[in-house]
Amino acid sequence: DAGVTQSPTHLIKTRGQQVTLRCSPKSGHDTVSWYQQALGQGPQFIFQYYEEEERQRGNFPDRFSGHQFPNYSSELNVNALLLGDSALYLCASTLSSAFDTGELFFGEGSRLTVL
Amino acid sequence: GQNIDQPTEMTATEGAIVQINCTYQTSGFNGLFWYQQHAGEAPTFLSYNVLDGLEEKGRFSSFLSRSKGYSYLLLKELQMKDSASYLCAVRDGGGSYIPTFGRGTSLIVHP
Repeated sequence: DAGVTQSPTHLIKTRGQQVTLRCSPKSGHDTVSWYQQALGQGPQFIFQYYEEEERQRGNFPDRFSGHQFPNYSSELNVNALLLGDSALYLCASTLSSAFDTGELFFGEGSRLTVL
Repeated sequence: GQNIDQPTEMTATEGAIVQINCTYQTSGFNGLFWYQQHAGEAPTFLSYNVLDGLEEKGRFSSFLSRSKGYSYLLLKELQMKDSASYLCAVRDGGGSYIPTFGRGTSLIVHP
């Protein structure tokens, strides 16, 4: 049973560029959340996708956008990259019927460095 | 908004017991989670508390007091592999089901 997979694992971009990160949820999961984790900090919620719609959004600018596909996989796009966007981007999946217990299954993350 | 506070770093000796505290202030409450994150790896779920009291799971236990806005994670019989960051995460009562994470406590276990 495959867990949450993310790609790429590491990438380097320059300021002003755009980046797309990808996530495949754990088998059977239909809800995907994205988090940004700066060094030494806890994960910060970006947004959550369910049924191909953005269900909730955290306090992130419109430069951060996403998408969910019919197979429940998801993408995170960041435009006009800033140095401060350098972080580990984590994808977490869950099953909508398990929202109550709320256990999130995280991927290994995509480490983005903006130069 | 939410405010979650936990110590930045703790050290302990192999075989000992350590307690990692988490205090929170939220508008409403709908559950508290503990996750473990080894360096360079994904966070993994440890425990979930929604009612007051102690939840025990092997060497790990988690306690919650809703009236005090307080939780702790208790790790017994510490092993070197327990060296990791421990993240406290809280859901508020707004029905969002999205947990807010604290900064994490880096635990270093010495031989």
